[in-house]
Amino acid sequence: DAKTTQPNSMESNEEEPVHLPCNHSTISGTDYIHWYRQLPSQGPEYVIHGLTSNVNNRMASLAIAEDRKSSTLILHRATLRDAAVYYCILTRSNDMRFGAGTRLTVKP
Amino acid sequence: NAGVMQNPRHLVRRRGQEARLRCSPMKGHSHVYWYRQLPEEGLKFMVYLQKENIIDESGMPKERFSAEFPKEGPSILRIQQVVRGDSAAYFCASSAFRGLNTEAFFGQGTRLTVV
Repeated sequence: DAKTTQPNSMESNEEEPVHLPCNHSTISGTDYIHWYRQLPSQGPEYVIHGLTSNVNNRMASLAIAEDRKSSTLILHRATLRDAAVYYCILTRSNDMRFGAGTRLTVKP
Repeated sequence: NAGVMQNPRHLVRRRGQEARLRCSPMKGHSHVYWYRQLPEEGLKFMVYLQKENIIDESGMPKERFSAEFPKEGPSILRIQQVVRGDSAAYFCASSAFRGLNTEAFFGQGTRLTVV
């Protein structure tokens, strides 16, 4: 299985941008890069996904390295409600396999 | 369009009893995934089903656990003869297509407590 590596935790100040990194050096050509987040006591929530090009949506931006071995989730202005565990996942065939994720703490 | 509905939200079972967890996918979705999350841990994939078929059950324990997704009705995750180690949050997700280039929607989970 292609694996992802994320920092265990990160901190951010409210209203500032946050860059959450993810390494996936064994990614294959057909793997999509997905990001989900899980707020406390809730189910995971889709954030964004992409294949090769950078992607933007109302929640975040996804910057994908040219060699696709890493990606970065960008929250443009962190709010207290963005405090969550963020998961970077490579989807291949049938499954979405979650790693440990990055626990983001947002300080007021 | 209602989201993914899981019930019950909380379930308490005594050791040796059966637990049945239900998941109604979003309207129009025919792909369902089940995950287990132990306290303070990440989500572990259990099984992927498409209407009436189990596509991938590589994450499912070989004994006591089973899953189905009938033509009509919700997907069911069934745990027989529960033990304390089965206590966890169980999440299901649904998608309209196979997971490569689509988003999956998760339910709020069922929190199983075995006493």
